[in-house]
Amino acid sequence: QSVLTQPPSVSAAPGQKVTISCSGSISNIGNNYVSWYQQLPGTAPKLLIYENNKRPSGIPDRFSGSKSGTSATLGITGLQTGDEADYYCGTWDSSLSSGVFGGGTKLTVL
Amino acid sequence: QVQLQESGPGLVKPSETLSLTCTVSGGSINNHFWSWIRQSPGKRLEWIGYIYYSGSTKYNPSLKSQFTMSVDTSKNQFSLKLTSATAADTAVYFCARGVAWFDPWGQGTLVTVSS
Repeated sequence: QSVLTQPPSVSAAPGQKVTISCSGSISNIGNNYVSWYQQLPGTAPKLLIYENNKRPSGIPDRFSGSKSGTSATLGITGLQTGDEADYYCGTWDSSLSSGVFGGGTKLTVL
Repeated sequence: QVQLQESGPGLVKPSETLSLTCTVSGGSINNHFWSWIRQSPGKRLEWIGYIYYSGSTKYNPSLKSQFTMSVDTSKNQFSLKLTSATAADTAVYFCARGVAWFDPWGQGTLVTVSS
């Protein structure tokens, strides 16, 4: 059971927009920055978003992040078949004194 | 650009000690935090802990002191040691830079605990 809750799967058609939610509590998302990772099949996770809504160099602006209260959301616009991957949210949990992740969401581009 | 590469045995017997090393290339290990993260066969990510280049460490309290981290700045490497391995420790182990967020990640190394 992961500390952060994500939907197991989401799907959308090419060119469409999808959002992936990440729900936590005051001790994690509520008081700490959220990051998002993309894991393509057979590869290591790759940082997409840090500090809730910032994109590292090289990440297209089709990817966006937001946070409100104890939840965070990853948005992906202009979906491409190459976006099919597992997506994970992560943050620090001040009560657990530990980094924590969501269980991951599998994105299918139909 | 900074790249990370994990190395270590792919198979460990139950109750034995596992040792992994992460080699940092393209940049210095100094002035950064470095983390270990593992991914279970079910794809769940679990943060193991971090080490600062100075040697200070912090571990995931839920992992019951199984893990020890060390750093060798002269070799631009940091390491992870797991004592008394069990089948539950079978996972892909990643090293990564950072503690609040992780970037970049190594490619990961599969560790199987089995007799």
